[in-house]
Amino acid sequence: GESVGLHLPTLSVQEGDNSIINCAYSNSASDYFIWYKQESGKGPQFIIDIRSNMDKRQGQRVTVLLNKTVKHLSLQIAATQPGDSAVYFCAENPPGGYQKVTFGIGTKLQVIP
Amino acid sequence: SQTIHQWPATLVQPVGSPLSLECTVEGTSNPNLYWYRQAAGRGLQLLFYSVGIGQISSEVPQNLSASRPQDRQFILSSKKLLLSDSGFYLCAWKGVAYGYTFGSGTRLTVV
Repeated sequence: GESVGLHLPTLSVQEGDNSIINCAYSNSASDYFIWYKQESGKGPQFIIDIRSNMDKRQGQRVTVLLNKTVKHLSLQIAATQPGDSAVYFCAENPPGGYQKVTFGIGTKLQVIP
Repeated sequence: SQTIHQWPATLVQPVGSPLSLECTVEGTSNPNLYWYRQAAGRGLQLLFYSVGIGQISSEVPQNLSASRPQDRQFILSSKKLLLSDSGFYLCAWKGVAYGYTFGSGTRLTVV
């Protein structure tokens, strides 16, 4: 369901290491998934998306993995940089052009220099 | 290209005062529009969404209301603000393609 104000989990990563942020989604019929990055005081920004007919998609330094069997998404960030520090949200889009996208509660990524 | 404008960026209002936050979208027609609230350190809570002029769906009971007087304009209002209304308010639109585009947000502090 919709995020209802749960406290954000935090992931601390050393600069240069790889980061893995996980997300569980709720609707097995969802056909499209998105990762957003939200820097402090700003609106969320699109990072990468994946359709349900894929299990992996790569972008620049980011990879999204989709496991439909267990309804799990992950975002992998290679060679994490201080500028990657932000809150990361996954979102699922139910099929049929439904009006609402459902967001995960988010994970705060802290990069240690 | 499509853009979304949200203002003001920050707002400090006394308890009991009215509120009006405005959001407009450019470069698209008949968008689905949304208002989200984000409390400090927390996730996104959907407040309202609108699929067309005059059509508002409320997700949670609260002290706020929304209106859509024009196709690309979405307004979040309150007649009397409460302390608990403080937060980061985000407007978003969703067009034909999937996924949201978010505005830059309004930081509301009720004092």
